[in-house]
Amino acid sequence: QQQVKQSPQSLIVQKGGISIINCAYENTAFDYFPWYQQFPGKGPALLIAIRPDVSEKKEGRFTISFNKSAKQFSLHIMDSQPGDSATYFCAADGSTSYGKLTFGQGTILTVHP
Amino acid sequence: NAGVTQTPKFRVLKTGQSMTLLCAQDMNHEYMYWYRQDPGMGLRLIHYSVGEGTTAKGEVPDGYNVSRLKKQNFLLGLESAAPSQTSVYFCASSFREPGELFFGEGSRLTVL
Repeated sequence: QQQVKQSPQSLIVQKGGISIINCAYENTAFDYFPWYQQFPGKGPALLIAIRPDVSEKKEGRFTISFNKSAKQFSLHIMDSQPGDSATYFCAADGSTSYGKLTFGQGTILTVHP
Repeated sequence: NAGVTQTPKFRVLKTGQSMTLLCAQDMNHEYMYWYRQDPGMGLRLIHYSVGEGTTAKGEVPDGYNVSRLKKQNFLLGLESAAPSQTSVYFCASSFREPGELFFGEGSRLTVL
């Protein structure tokens, strides 16, 4: 049973465009929502994370928007670059779950030059 | 600083064979995890450990066993490999919960 649903499965944007990836969760005990970036042949690496006490977090060109009432969160990549081409995973964790992340299905982002 | 190291990186097995994947971390992390990654499924937790000598089941534990005899090592075993276990396996470690997971580069396993 997938507790975190991610969309779209794949996304193609032009250089300079905005990439938007969405996730929805079911478990209201989740209180930590990270995004991981994975390049081919590598393991995922933490990109940015948010807790539900804020509605938005921005780090450079990457922004997480969080809607607690809708149980949804999204990743926005501004001014997308070819180097951003990777697979992105949203995830969720609860504070009593020993750091066990529940991942979304992943989105393959391709940024054309 | 190596971080999380997985061996082997690639392995091909025949159905019914056994093997062990080794994960080593040099960050003195308490928590360690084994995930498998399959297309369209994201990463799914197989087993995890919250400290030396402890292990627990994750979302998809069937067909796998684990051991954590030393804090820095977390072993994933397949006693009788099946084609359904063809996947990319990732080990990760974490200092605290919830917190950043540090992943290895993966071990690609093919079961024929």
